Amino acid sequence: SYVLTQPPSVSVAPGKTARITCGGNNIGSKSVHWYQQKPGQAPVLVIYYDSDRPSGIPERFSGSNSGNTATLTISRVEAGDEADYYCQVWDSSSDVVFGGGTKLTVL
Amino acid sequence: QVQLVQSGAEVKKPGASVKVSCKASGYTFTSYDINWVRQATGQGLEWMGWMNPNSGNTGYAQKFQGRVTMTRNTSISTAYMELSSLRSEDTAVYYCARRDSTVSDYWGQGTLVTVSS
Repeated sequence: SYVLTQPPSVSVAPGKTARITCGGNNIGSKSVHWYQQKPGQAPVLVIYYDSDRPSGIPERFSGSNSGNTATLTISRVEAGDEADYYCQVWDSSSDVVFGGGTKLTVL
Repeated sequence: QVQLVQSGAEVKKPGASVKVSCKASGYTFTSYDINWVRQATGQGLEWMGWMNPNSGNTGYAQKFQGRVTMTRNTSISTAYMELSSLRSEDTAVYYCARRDSTVSDYWGQGTLVTVSS
């Protein structure tokens, strides 16, 4: 089965840039989606198909995907960005696969 | 606007079954698949399976094969997920999500299922 690996935690100061990685074998050949989940809430889609943003998601959120790593980048981080972030791909053998999640802490 | 509204929290005994509903509105229910995803307390997201509301076709994660059944009632735009032979490890929040190709673009609010004797 396909495995996605995320760092358990990332910390960043307000106003700085946060980068959350998602590793997988040749993940660059797959489409990666990112979800934000705040405590007690359902996940919200923030990036889809590697780098597209749903309506209502700030331009500060961006994504990239190449080789064995996909990256969610959050620019000018705000306190309200503090949340868990999950990457997700579709794999022909496993169907939907989620990464383990990364807790973003705003210092 | 697209909305998925799930049924309320459930408490079940080990060995019992639970059926969670997910009522869709704001779009054509039969035009998008539904994913079911669960999350144990403090844990990550775990995909359980999908259902096509138009055909009724389903696909389940291997872990849940034989224990999960996903169905729908198109007349009321509602999807259902039933999990049987419950054990304590099934205690989790269960989410439905609209699936557009490979992405889950809208999610329900979640349903807490507690399995306890």
